[in-house]
Amino acid sequence: QKEVEQDPGPLSVPEGAIVSLNCTYSNSAFQYFMWYRQYSRKGPELLMYTYSSGNKEDGRFTAQVDKSSKYISLFIRDSQPSDSATYLCAMNTGNQFYFGTGTSLTVIP
Amino acid sequence: GAVVSQHPSRVICKSGTSVKIECRSLDFQATTMFWYRQFPKKSLMLMATSNEGSKATYEQGVEKDKFLINHASLTLSTLTVTSAHPEDSSFYICSAAIAGGPFGELFFGEGSRLTVL
Repeated sequence: QKEVEQDPGPLSVPEGAIVSLNCTYSNSAFQYFMWYRQYSRKGPELLMYTYSSGNKEDGRFTAQVDKSSKYISLFIRDSQPSDSATYLCAMNTGNQFYFGTGTSLTVIP
Repeated sequence: GAVVSQHPSRVICKSGTSVKIECRSLDFQATTMFWYRQFPKKSLMLMATSNEGSKATYEQGVEKDKFLINHASLTLSTLTVTSAHPEDSSFYICSAAIAGGPFGELFFGEGSRLTVL
């Protein structure tokens, strides 16, 4: 079983839709949970990170962590064409980072 | 956010030559840097973890003699692909964790696209 599971998609939504991206994990020792956005042929950029269970909001983005279910989500409200990218979830324990496979998102104008 | 600079962004070389890729943390110190390889439409594949002043830790299946990693300072790590072959063509990305910072903060370089002819 992989440490982190993420549906690779692709996911295609119309502009303005709410997007839900999800990852599950198996290691209860994970401490930090991160979401990265990667545009084509670029390095990933950190969108959000959380430490505890619950929600964290930043503009149109909300990160949600449910440690009891080992499940994390990223919600994008009012999605824009510029949100089209690959979204990677990541989590770590100490110095070991684990990444999901990434979900490819396309927001259609 | 913190900035990680990676250079060169694109390199084309002949088979059998060696290529060096640099990863610099511009505005923070990074005791630990990571090197990844990414194939088209695939996720990041961790190659090695580079700690300042010590030998890198390579992931299983990664040839340490082929992918030489040096982390000589708190702001610079280098990856040298030795005797490159066409199958080494890939997108190589580095990342750095802020020294003393919460481990949730991992910043990535822009990536280096290597094409071996």
